[in-house]
Amino acid sequence: NAGVTQTPKFRVLKTGQSMTLLCAQDMNHEYMYWYRQDPGMGLRLIHYSVGEGTTAKGEVPDGYNVSRLKKQNFLLGLESAAPSQTSVYFCASTQAGDSTDTQYFGPGTRLTVL
Amino acid sequence: GQNIDQPTEMTATEGAIVQINCTYQTSGFNGLFWYQQHAGEAPTFLSYNVLDGLEEKGRFSSFLSRSKGYSYLLLKELQMKDSASYLCAVLDSNYQLIWGAGTKLIIKP
Repeated sequence: NAGVTQTPKFRVLKTGQSMTLLCAQDMNHEYMYWYRQDPGMGLRLIHYSVGEGTTAKGEVPDGYNVSRLKKQNFLLGLESAAPSQTSVYFCASTQAGDSTDTQYFGPGTRLTVL
Repeated sequence: GQNIDQPTEMTATEGAIVQINCTYQTSGFNGLFWYQQHAGEAPTFLSYNVLDGLEEKGRFSSFLSRSKGYSYLLLKELQMKDSASYLCAVLDSNYQLIWGAGTKLIIKP
């Protein structure tokens, strides 16, 4: 099992460009999450999904969109990148969010917006 | 608002013991997690507490006091590979994880 994978690992964008981050998990987990991690701050939830075809907003959703067309994949889109979106992005998954299941994290995507 | 506080950085000596504290104020409580995160890597699960008391797992132990909104992670027999950030996270009433900023632990020989 690969667990949770993310592509790409690194990316540099110019302000106004768009991109999609892909997260894939092979553990048949229902719940998937997108976080961003910035220096001196805790992980902040951007969007999450409780199952295929469903998405919901987290703490910091502005400027991002997501889709969960297949259970194993969760995509994070930036339509018009801004320097404030420079961050490390982590995807995570868990079997069921309404429980105490551990979240499993992908390796992260390091995004720089110039 | 919801808040989780941990020290920003701690230093300890190889072979010693270190305690990393975490205090929290959240809307509801469904458990507290500790994760380890090495530089440039993803967080990995260390422990989970939902009842008061101490949970021991090898060299690592985690303690919880719900009445005080307090937890600590105790690391014994420190090794150089324990140099990492340690993240405290609380599962709130909506079953969302609220994360602390993490404590960077530096181990010196």
